[in-house]
Amino acid sequence: AQKVTQAQTEISVVEKEDVTLDCVYETRDTTYYLFWYKQPPSGELVFLIRRNSFDEQNEISGRYSWNFQKSTSSFNFTITASQVVDSAVYFCALSEHAAAGNKLTFGGGTRVLVKP
Amino acid sequence: DAGVTQSPTHLIKTRGQQVTLRCSPKSGHDTVSWYQQALGQGPQFIFQYYEEEERQRGNFPDRFSGHQFPNYSSELNVNALLLGDSALYLCASSLEAGVLETQYFGPGTRLLVL
Repeated sequence: AQKVTQAQTEISVVEKEDVTLDCVYETRDTTYYLFWYKQPPSGELVFLIRRNSFDEQNEISGRYSWNFQKSTSSFNFTITASQVVDSAVYFCALSEHAAAGNKLTFGGGTRVLVKP
Repeated sequence: DAGVTQSPTHLIKTRGQQVTLRCSPKSGHDTVSWYQQALGQGPQFIFQYYEEEERQRGNFPDRFSGHQFPNYSSELNVNALLLGDSALYLCASSLEAGVLETQYFGPGTRLLVL
């Protein structure tokens, strides 16, 4: 069965500091996708990034970057130079390759509070 | 480009009642998934609909049922409501179940069961 663990429940930083969110996953499948979603107080889950299991190249997109390591089953996410608008709950999610569906399994979330 | 829409935004029901939540997918999407998010937790997968059929189901009782219409919109029905059904219900849409496509979420329906 697939499982996603986000050990950090809450992180508090001062504006302009970097924030790194940890995510560890479990899956028996060799083909899967990993995602990060942001949930602001309004409640809507906003898609941020996606990485497939065959591509371990780490990338940067604006102020977001991610570190995917299959050897440790980790998919960490970093916000560089944090801003107050980054305050939200961040969820890591896993989707396995399945012929009959692509359900997402979410971690418990990490609440990020960016103080001015 | 219209995103995923859900109605109603908020709902208050009493135990034992039945509720119907509605979702319209993002333009061009044909697959709809439903998730339940209890306060302080991550979303839990309820089920997914594709081509008007339930393609995948999570660990939820039969009190939770759904439907997908020819225009790809979907409904989530919950019968015999329990206090524990109080949660944020999220709908997500994507292209073609079975393919690892990104799911895009709507704003959710907040259900309170008294």
